[in-house]
Amino acid sequence: GGIITQTPKFLIGQEGQKLTLKCQQNFNHDTMYWYRQDSGKGLRLIYYSITENDLQKGDLSEGYDASREKKSSFSLTVTSAQKNEMAVFLCASRLQGNQDTQYFGPGTRLLVL
Amino acid sequence: GEKVEQHESTLSVREGDSAVINCTYTDTASSYFPWYKQEAGKSLHFVIDIRSNVDRKQSQRLIVLLDKKAKRFSLHITATQPEDSAIYFCAADMNYNQGKLIFGQGTKLSIKP
Repeated sequence: GGIITQTPKFLIGQEGQKLTLKCQQNFNHDTMYWYRQDSGKGLRLIYYSITENDLQKGDLSEGYDASREKKSSFSLTVTSAQKNEMAVFLCASRLQGNQDTQYFGPGTRLLVL
Repeated sequence: GEKVEQHESTLSVREGDSAVINCTYTDTASSYFPWYKQEAGKSLHFVIDIRSNVDRKQSQRLIVLLDKKAKRFSLHITATQPEDSAIYFCAADMNYNQGKLIFGQGTKLSIKP
């Protein structure tokens, strides 16, 4: 088995601030993802990475940067937090190839004042 | 691009009865369809999936049906129990090897005693 950890669990920021969220997995999975979940809505893909140092944009990449520093970690940066923004950011990972299941981390809850 | 529609936003069934959640997708090339469960305040947890080479899959009380002609798939939960109460998300892949998933909006399932 393995685990995905996300830090921090809760993040309170100020309008215009740059905020960084971190994700670590010990599954030894190749592909990692960042999703945003807004209340009452499904998940929207922000960025994903199919291997170390790779970066692919999802549908919601504007306003975000990402970095795959090593195989086990994937960071997401909110480049300029929007006032009253409230969402949950979910990290996921998946083994490349026939193992299609994506496993999700516990999430980071963001609130921008 | 691919769209996944989840038809029921809420669903309430009596304990012991069956619950059915329906999803449709638009991309005929989609070949992988997972389902996730999200309990209150928690992250997504994989429950079952189906690939396009079969039209039915069962895991204990969960049954997934896939109708490729109609581009429709459904999750059947039999003999429902209180712990089945959660939000259920369906998803369809956009790119098999990279595992990009498009999620439905979610169905909140409530099990009444």
